Amino acid sequence: KQEVTQIPAALSVPEGENLVLNCSFTDSAIYNLQWFRQDPGKGLTSLLLIQSSQREQTSGRLNASLDKSSGRSTLYIAASQPGDSATYLCASGGGADGLTFGKGTHLIIQP
Amino acid sequence: GAVVSQHPSRVICKSGTSVKIECRSLDFQATTMFWYRQFPKQSLMLMATSNEGSKATYEQGVEKDKFLINHASLTLSTLTVTSAHPEDSSFYICSAPGLGNTIYFGEGSWLTVV
Repeated sequence: KQEVTQIPAALSVPEGENLVLNCSFTDSAIYNLQWFRQDPGKGLTSLLLIQSSQREQTSGRLNASLDKSSGRSTLYIAASQPGDSATYLCASGGGADGLTFGKGTHLIIQP
Repeated sequence: GAVVSQHPSRVICKSGTSVKIECRSLDFQATTMFWYRQFPKQSLMLMATSNEGSKATYEQGVEKDKFLINHASLTLSTLTVTSAHPEDSSFYICSAPGLGNTIYFGEGSWLTVV
């Protein structure tokens, strides 16, 4: 059964810094790898989806990479802003199957 | 705008009663929908896969008689928490696969059982 782990569990950095969030998964035969953002008391916002045949996806200041052979994905956030403060979740799966989520990284960007 | 609508967003119910949560796909048909649960400071856990016209598939450890799922049409799946207890208080969220690899999530429902 797929297991998804996210490191670190929490991260606090000053505004303007670039940062990397890490996600690892145990089963390399993944369908998709997806990154979400969850604000307190809210639902999920999809950030980036990397299909199994892809290696990375970019959207604005966000860049997500996927290395299936090592079972890892990273989310790179450039020039962080206080509005980026949220919990970031990575999830594996999709299609006809549900998603397996990591526990998330709680990110705080200090003004 | 939202492509998957979930209702209610927040509900408080008394212990022992049942509560229904609806998940609707807007402008597209969803033969499959997924229900997740998230306890405080925990990750989202898949509870069950809702299949239109057939029985839902439940994940290990999820009581099918307690969490009733009905996928009555191609745009609506419902989750009913029966005989709710305080330990069922959680965040419940649904999702539906769209075109390609897109997955749409509902807004989520906060259930508090008192």
